[in-house]
Amino acid sequence: GNSVTQMEGPVTLSEEAFLTINCTYTATGYPSLFWYVQYPGEGLQLLLKATKADDKGSNKGFEATYRKETTSFHLEKGSVQVSDSAVYFCALRANTGGFKTIFGAGTRLFVKA
Amino acid sequence: EAGVAQSPRYKIIEKRQSVAFWCNPISGHATLYWYQQILGQGPKLLIQFQNNGVVDDSQLPKDRFSAERLKGVDSTLKIQPAKLEDSAVYLCASSHPGRGVNTEAFFGQGTRLTVV
Repeated sequence: GNSVTQMEGPVTLSEEAFLTINCTYTATGYPSLFWYVQYPGEGLQLLLKATKADDKGSNKGFEATYRKETTSFHLEKGSVQVSDSAVYFCALRANTGGFKTIFGAGTRLFVKA
Repeated sequence: EAGVAQSPRYKIIEKRQSVAFWCNPISGHATLYWYQQILGQGPKLLIQFQNNGVVDDSQLPKDRFSAERLKGVDSTLKIQPAKLEDSAVYLCASSHPGRGVNTEAFFGQGTRLTVV
C-alpha cells in the first residue's frame, strides 16, 4: 500500500542554520507529494507541493524536489527562523479508490534564538 | 474564500459518554474527509465522502464511530461510547474532486477531544 516515512524528531536548530527533513514514500502509480506545516495550536496548512517527477515545490524559503528514482521528497531551508518552529508533515496524494492524502508521522522542529 | 469550519474547538468528556463534531467544508468541494490525529502521530484517515456517499470508511471503528453527510455539504462525526484511546484531534478536510491528485486537501483547525 501507499505510505510515507519521515525522519523522527525533534529537530533542534539555532536560528539561521540549514534545515533538512527527510521524507521517503511508497506508492503505486503517480502520486503528488506535499509538505504540510502545523504551528502550535493551529490546523494543518499546505507549505508546498510537487505533482510530478523532478518538480520542485517552494514557499517561504522552503523547498523540496520530487525524486522518483529515490522515492524521496526532502524538505530544505537555507536559514531557519524562530517562527519556523512547528511540526512538519510529509504527505502523498494518490488515487486509491478515490483521492486520498496519506501522511507521515510528522517531524517537530524547534528553532532557538 | 472561506476555509473549512469545524466545531467545537475543544471537548472534554468522560469515557462511555457520546460526542459529536461538526464540519462545514469549503464551498464547492464535493469530497470531505475526517482524520484522527493522535498526539505525536500523523493524521489517519477515518472516512471519506464524495457528495453524500461514502467512498472509504475502512479505517473507521464502526462499533463506536459513525459519520454522515446527509445533504452533501456539512458533516457530523459521532463517537458513542467514547474510550480513553479516542483522545485525539479530529480534523476535517475537503477537496475538489475534479482536480485529481494534483490538488491538495484543505484542513480545518480541528476539534481536540479529551476523554477522561
